[in-house]
Amino acid sequence: EAGVTQFPSHSVIEKGQTVTLRCDPISGHDNLYWYRRVMGKEIKFLLHFVKESKQDESGMPNNRFLAERTGGTYSTLKVQPAELEDSGVYFCASSQEIAANTGELFFGEGSRLTVL
Amino acid sequence: GQNIDQPTEMTATEGAIVQINCTYQTSGFNGLFWYQQHAGEAPTFLSYNVLDGLEEKGRFSSFLSRSKGYSYLLLKELQMKDSASYLCAVRNDYKLSFGAGTTVTVRA
Repeated sequence: EAGVTQFPSHSVIEKGQTVTLRCDPISGHDNLYWYRRVMGKEIKFLLHFVKESKQDESGMPNNRFLAERTGGTYSTLKVQPAELEDSGVYFCASSQEIAANTGELFFGEGSRLTVL
Repeated sequence: GQNIDQPTEMTATEGAIVQINCTYQTSGFNGLFWYQQHAGEAPTFLSYNVLDGLEEKGRFSSFLSRSKGYSYLLLKELQMKDSASYLCAVRNDYKLSFGAGTTVTVRA
């Protein structure tokens, strides 16, 4: 079974440009999360999808970030325009029903974003 | 708010035991996770505690005391491949709040 896959693994862009990160969750996982780790800090929650619906986007830093999950399968996270402080590693995670089990999140390897 | 503390670094010898402590103060609690992360790789699930006590899984054990806001991860019979970052994370409803991680270095 394929795990959570993310693309690209690394992106280097200039301030003001746009970047779109993609996440393919484990097949059948309705819950999809985006997390971010900026340099030297802890991993922080960005948002949570259940199927195609946004359940919670309270962790999104500002309106330069837009996440979508059309059709309830893969998700994209777009940063437009990118700023220097957006540099970090963006992790995607997926899980099955939250209440039915441990709610274990399966993480992808992350997309490293460097804004110059 | 969420406050999760764990040591930044620990070093131990191959074959030894290491205990990584995690203290937390969070607005809600639905369980505590430990994840292992090797550099450049995905965090991988190690353990989950929702009730007080010790959970054992092979060489790894995790303990939780909800009244003290405290957990530890115990790694026994350390191997070189255990060199990694260990992340403590508290679940509140469906969100995870992470500590900054403890980098464990295993020396021969």
